[in-house]
Amino acid sequence: AQRVTQPEKLLSVFKGAPVELKCNYSYSGSPELFWYVQYSRQRLQLLLRHISRESIKGFTADLNKGETSFHLKKPFAQEEDSAMYYCALRGRGGSQGNLIFGKGTKLSVKP
Amino acid sequence: DAGVIQSPRHEVTEMGQEVTLRCKPISGHNSLFWYRQTMMRGLELLIYFNNNVPIDDSGMPEDRFSAKMPNASFSTLKIQPSEPRDSAVYFCASRLDPGELFFGEGSRLTVL
Repeated sequence: AQRVTQPEKLLSVFKGAPVELKCNYSYSGSPELFWYVQYSRQRLQLLLRHISRESIKGFTADLNKGETSFHLKKPFAQEEDSAMYYCALRGRGGSQGNLIFGKGTKLSVKP
Repeated sequence: DAGVIQSPRHEVTEMGQEVTLRCKPISGHNSLFWYRQTMMRGLELLIYFNNNVPIDDSGMPEDRFSAKMPNASFSTLKIQPSEPRDSAVYFCASRLDPGELFFGEGSRLTVL
């Protein structure tokens, strides 16, 4: 079964501290993994995808197939990073077009 | 493009009433998704369409929920009769396969 698990509902850190939002997935094949972000009163938007291997707003995420994880990291958190973060999975090929989301982690960065 | 457009943005209704949520996807996109967001369950996929055809509706909670996509530029999600447990934010999203998924601003439904 396809599943995305984000174990933390809320993560609170101080400005300048490192942050890691955890994401584990369950999928029998080779999935695509994404991180979406929802800032207060804004729509969900794509933050990054594993196939791009890019850094967006200082965030990076590495796909670890051995641990089936796709944790989101940033070395120095900023107050404007406070938002809801969703990890998502999409299966490759065929009719596996839909995105399965985790329940989300609310990141709160304190001054 | 104005992005994915949803209406209404807010809806307050009484239990038993019919609710219709509307979505206009981004022009040219060929897949459309309806998600429901709640504190307890996060973001759940309800149904998705590809080229106006429903592909996966396994997330639709029960027969009270129905969704249609009569053409490439319009979709509706209907709840009849509505119940208080249906209170949530309903998101519509679209994409041009296999690209990025773009979300609307959501419709916040409150059923009293």
